[in-house]
Amino acid sequence: DARVTQTPRHKVTEMGQEVTMRCQPILGHNTVFWYRQTMMQGLELLAYFRNRAPLDDSGMPKDRFSAEMPDATLATLKIQPSEPRDSAVYFCASGLGGTVNTEAFFGQGTRLTVV
Amino acid sequence: QQQVKQSPQSLIVQKGGISIINCAYENTAFDYFPWYQQFPGKGPALLIAIRPDVSEKKEGRFTISFNKSAKQFSLHIMDSQPGDSATYFCAPGGYQKVTFGIGTKLQVIP
Repeated sequence: DARVTQTPRHKVTEMGQEVTMRCQPILGHNTVFWYRQTMMQGLELLAYFRNRAPLDDSGMPKDRFSAEMPDATLATLKIQPSEPRDSAVYFCASGLGGTVNTEAFFGQGTRLTVV
Repeated sequence: QQQVKQSPQSLIVQKGGISIINCAYENTAFDYFPWYQQFPGKGPALLIAIRPDVSEKKEGRFTISFNKSAKQFSLHIMDSQPGDSATYFCAPGGYQKVTFGIGTKLQVIP
């Protein structure tokens, strides 16, 4: 069945290390979102792409975070260097953008712990 | 996130009761008003959504009520069940990005 796949599901890393999270959107979806979820801030939009082009990454700390879509089947979110405050669940979602009813289909998330 | 205010942040309801969650927004450009449901360890999933040309939409036990002039919409869960225990997010949006509320943790007790 069609679903958004995220890897890894869990990641524990030491402060200062590079972290890469991957997302395979649903085939045919042209919009990909990256969200970060924490207890304090809820679901924050970090960045989103349409047709592989970044449309908005204003929610992302630019100095350490980067998001890319090397091709239509892969989106990546990278943190370098990672910090303890980056500990959160990171969700990727995809949808059919360009229409009003842009339902976002979420993956199961990557739980990141930075120690 | 200040564009969307969701309340309450937590809610405990007896089985069979009515759960009501509210969402207020500021951006008048929003024209799609969904509610998402999230279970522990899972990503959010669309529960029900409404367009601004109608004031109410019902799907089973779930109803959205929309008040365009007040810039508010709400989720009503009738005959609440323990299986409805989850976190609910309003996420008004449109052509551009979706803005999620802070979430409401609903607990339905037997």
